[in-house]
Amino acid sequence: EPEVTQTPSHQVTQMGQEVILRCVPISNHLYFYWYRQILGQKVEFLVSFYNNEISEKSEIFDDQFSVERPDGSNFTLKIRSTKLEDSAMYFCASRLRISTDTQYFGPGTRLTVL
Amino acid sequence: GESVGLHLPTLSVQEGDNSIINCAYSNSASDYFIWYKQESGKGPQFIIDIRSNMDKRQGQRVTVLLNKTVKHLSLQIAATQPGDSAVYFCAECRSGNTPLVFGKGTRLSVIA
Repeated sequence: EPEVTQTPSHQVTQMGQEVILRCVPISNHLYFYWYRQILGQKVEFLVSFYNNEISEKSEIFDDQFSVERPDGSNFTLKIRSTKLEDSAMYFCASRLRISTDTQYFGPGTRLTVL
Repeated sequence: GESVGLHLPTLSVQEGDNSIINCAYSNSASDYFIWYKQESGKGPQFIIDIRSNMDKRQGQRVTVLLNKTVKHLSLQIAATQPGDSAVYFCAECRSGNTPLVFGKGTRLSVIA
C-alpha cells in the first residue's frame, strides 16, 4: 500500500542551525501538508501546499519556515534558524485531490534542538 | 476560539470489550471528520471518516457516530484488542483544501 515517507526519523541540531526535513508524499497525490506535534500535545497545522505554492499557513509558520517541492517527488520543510521551541515531531501529509479530504500522514521526524 | 476537544483523556478497557471514544467539536462550518490512531513514535494513521451528511459510518470493527445537533463525534471499537492500544485523535475540517484541526487525543489502554 502506498505510504508517505519521511527522513530523517530523528534530527538533532544546535540552536540557530538550519534544518531541512524531507518527505516523499504518495506518488499521485496533489496536496501536501506539514504538521507538528510538541511532545504530549495535539497535532498542529503548519502549512499546506498545492501547485507549487503555499495554499494556507498557520501563525506558527513564520518567516523562519519555508517549504519547497524541488522535484516531482520530494517535499521539504526548512527551518532557517532553529529555536529550542521548535523541538517537536514534524509530520508530512498528502491528499489525492480536492474532492477527497483524507490526509495520509508519514511516520514523522523527531526534531531535537539543543 | 473554535476548537476540537475530547471528553476523556484516558480510557482503559478489558480485552474483548467494546470501546467508545468521544470528541466534541465547536466549528459548525466543519463538514468532514476523521479519526486517527497514533501509536508511540509513529504518525497519525487514518481509521475512519464521516461527512456531515451522515450520522453513522461503519468500518471493520469500528463505527463513527456524528451528532450534529450537539456537535459530538464518537468512535466505537468492537472487541477491543491489545493492538488497539494507542492515542486516538479526532480531527475536523471544511471540505476543500483546508487544514485539519485536531483534538487533544484520548489514550486507549487495553488490559489483557
